[in-house]
Amino acid sequence: QKEVEQNSGPLSVPEGAIASLNCTYSDRGSQSFFWYRQYSGKSPELIMFIYSNGDKEDGRFTAQLNKASQYVSLLIRDSQPSDSATYLCAVIPNDYKLSFGAGTTVTVRA
Amino acid sequence: NAGVTQTPKFQVLKTGQSMTLQCAQDMNHNSMYWYRQDPGMGLRLIYYSASEGTTDKGEVPNGYNVSRLNKREFSLRLESAAPSQTSVYFCASTRDGGHNQPQHFGDGTRLSIL
Repeated sequence: QKEVEQNSGPLSVPEGAIASLNCTYSDRGSQSFFWYRQYSGKSPELIMFIYSNGDKEDGRFTAQLNKASQYVSLLIRDSQPSDSATYLCAVIPNDYKLSFGAGTTVTVRA
Repeated sequence: NAGVTQTPKFQVLKTGQSMTLQCAQDMNHNSMYWYRQDPGMGLRLIYYSASEGTTDKGEVPNGYNVSRLNKREFSLRLESAAPSQTSVYFCASTRDGGHNQPQHFGDGTRLSIL
């Protein structure tokens, strides 16, 4: 079982809609959770991080963490064409080696 | 500040050739990492250096060696390149190896092995 699993996508949403991205992880002792955005041909850039159960909001982005269910999600509200990218979920498990999911590609239709 | 700088940006090698990928950061970070990214597989950790003078294997270390030359620089060497090492390589750094440290990435090196 991979340490970090993401819904495979691709995910296509109309402009202005909510894009919902899901991620599950296998190491129950994981402490830190990150969402990176990666545009085609570019390097990953950090958009959100969350350490505690519950919701964390930053502009149009909301990260949700449920450690009991080993689940972290990212919501993108009012999706814009500029949000079209691959979103990578990353988790720091007990061994402190950051582990990435395969990514979910999001396309926002104008 | 440049952040994390990788050289070269592109490289084509023949099978069996050797090559060193260079990475330097100017953020005074202690920890540095090398990843490879292949389609559909996300980023996989090759080697990391928690601090100057230390290196450790990641998920996919076979066929690679690393050197933490000083606090700023962390190089990745392919001694005998194989087509399976065709990939995009990213270097990253963090202030330290703690659990709440986001990674700062370089722009990547696109490597093709023929």
